[in-house]
Amino acid sequence: KAGVTQTPRYLIKTRGQQVTLSCSPISGHRSVSWYQQTPGQGLQFLFEYFSETQRNKGNFPGRFSGRQFSNSRSEMNVSTLELGDSALYLCASSLRTSTDTQYFGPGTRLTVL
Amino acid sequence: DQQVKQNSPSLSVQEGRISILNCDYTNSMFDYFLWYKKYPAEGPTFLISISSIKDKNEDGRFTVFLNKSAKHLSLHIVPSQPGDSAVYFCAAPFTSGANNLFFGTGTRLTVIP
Repeated sequence: KAGVTQTPRYLIKTRGQQVTLSCSPISGHRSVSWYQQTPGQGLQFLFEYFSETQRNKGNFPGRFSGRQFSNSRSEMNVSTLELGDSALYLCASSLRTSTDTQYFGPGTRLTVL
Repeated sequence: DQQVKQNSPSLSVQEGRISILNCDYTNSMFDYFLWYKKYPAEGPTFLISISSIKDKNEDGRFTVFLNKSAKHLSLHIVPSQPGDSAVYFCAAPFTSGANNLFFGTGTRLTVIP
């Protein structure tokens, strides 16, 4: 069974630009969550999508948004990039709830110059 | 607000000995806890979990203990192996049953051969 895939793996952008990251969950998984990992703040929850609906949202500004498609693939978008957005963005998929194991992808390393 | 805390950023243990990783939490509403381990350039991998109705859960060499009155959990690895060298995160869903995990800042375990 294929794991969670994230594209691209690495990305370099400049301040003010926008970026879209993609996540393909494990087949059959309907929940996709996104996390931001930085050296200073650790792993922080961004949002979770389940059956194309945002089910939970973390404490991030509105510049961070996401969506989920009918095949459970998910994208997250960051607009008006800031230097502090440089981070590893991780996507995780699971069947439904927190008691179902979340499987993480390898992440997308975003660098904002 | 760091609701899940790992106060030891690093731990070194001899191969064959016990590794004990600690985690404290502040939110008494948390009812489920998970441990993940992370190797460089990979996403976190689920290790073991525990529900708040239990005080111990065991899976092979890994045992998690939960002390609800102290709001403390610990992960024991016995015996420790060099392949266990990784960063370990404890986590808890902010909302019961949801996939919005609060992660600790991680403890880097080094198992010395």
